[in-house]
Amino acid sequence: GNSVTQMEGPVTLSEEAFLTINCTYTATGYPSLFWYVQYPGEGLQLLLKATKADDKGSNKGFEATYRKETTSFHLEKGSVQVSDSAVYFCALSGSGGYNKLIFGAGTRLAVHP
Amino acid sequence: SAVISQKPSRDICQRGTSLTIQCQVDSQVTMMFWYRQQPGQSLTLIATANQGSEATYESGFVIDKFPISRPNLTFSTLTVSNMSPEDSSIYLCSGTVTGEGEQYFGPGTRLTVT
Repeated sequence: GNSVTQMEGPVTLSEEAFLTINCTYTATGYPSLFWYVQYPGEGLQLLLKATKADDKGSNKGFEATYRKETTSFHLEKGSVQVSDSAVYFCALSGSGGYNKLIFGAGTRLAVHP
Repeated sequence: SAVISQKPSRDICQRGTSLTIQCQVDSQVTMMFWYRQQPGQSLTLIATANQGSEATYESGFVIDKFPISRPNLTFSTLTVSNMSPEDSSIYLCSGTVTGEGEQYFGPGTRLTVT
C-alpha cells in the first residue's frame, strides 16, 4: 500500500542555517505530494504541494520538488528563522486529489537564535 | 480555500462517557475526513465522512466506537463513545473544497479521558 517515510527528528538548527527534511514515498499510480506544518498548539496548515513529477512547490521560502525517479519530496529552506520552529509532515494522496491523505511520522524542527 | 472550525477546542471527560465533536466549514466541501493524532504522533485517518451515506472507516476503527454524521456539505460530527484513557488524543477534521485538491484542517479538539 501507499506509505510515506520521513527523516526522524528532532532537527535542531541555528537561525539562518540551511534546512533539509527528507521524505520518500511508496505509491501506486501518480500521487499528489504535500508538506504540512503544525505550529505548537495549532492545527495543520498546508505549506506547499506538487501534483506531478518534476513539479516544484514553494511557499514562505520553503521548496520541495516531486522526484518520481527517486520517489522523493524533500523539503528545503535556505535560511531558517526561529519562527519556523514547528513539526513538519510529508503526506501523499492517491490519484485524483480528493483521496485521503497518508502522513509521514512528522519531523520536529527547533531553530535557535 | 476553506476555513474549518471545531467545537469544543478541548475537553476533559470521564471514562465510559461519550463526546461529540462538531466540525463546521465556511464553504461546501466535497470530502470530509476525521483524523486522530495521539500525543507526539502523526495523524491517523479514522474515517471519511460522506454526505447522505454512512462513513467509510479505516482498518482498526468501527462505527460503534466512532459514529459519524454528515447531514450537509459544510458540517460533520464525530462521537467518541464509551471513552477510555487510550482515547486521549487530538481529533482533527479536514475537508477538500470542490474543484481543489488539497485538504484544509480544523484546529483540532484536544481530548483527555480520565
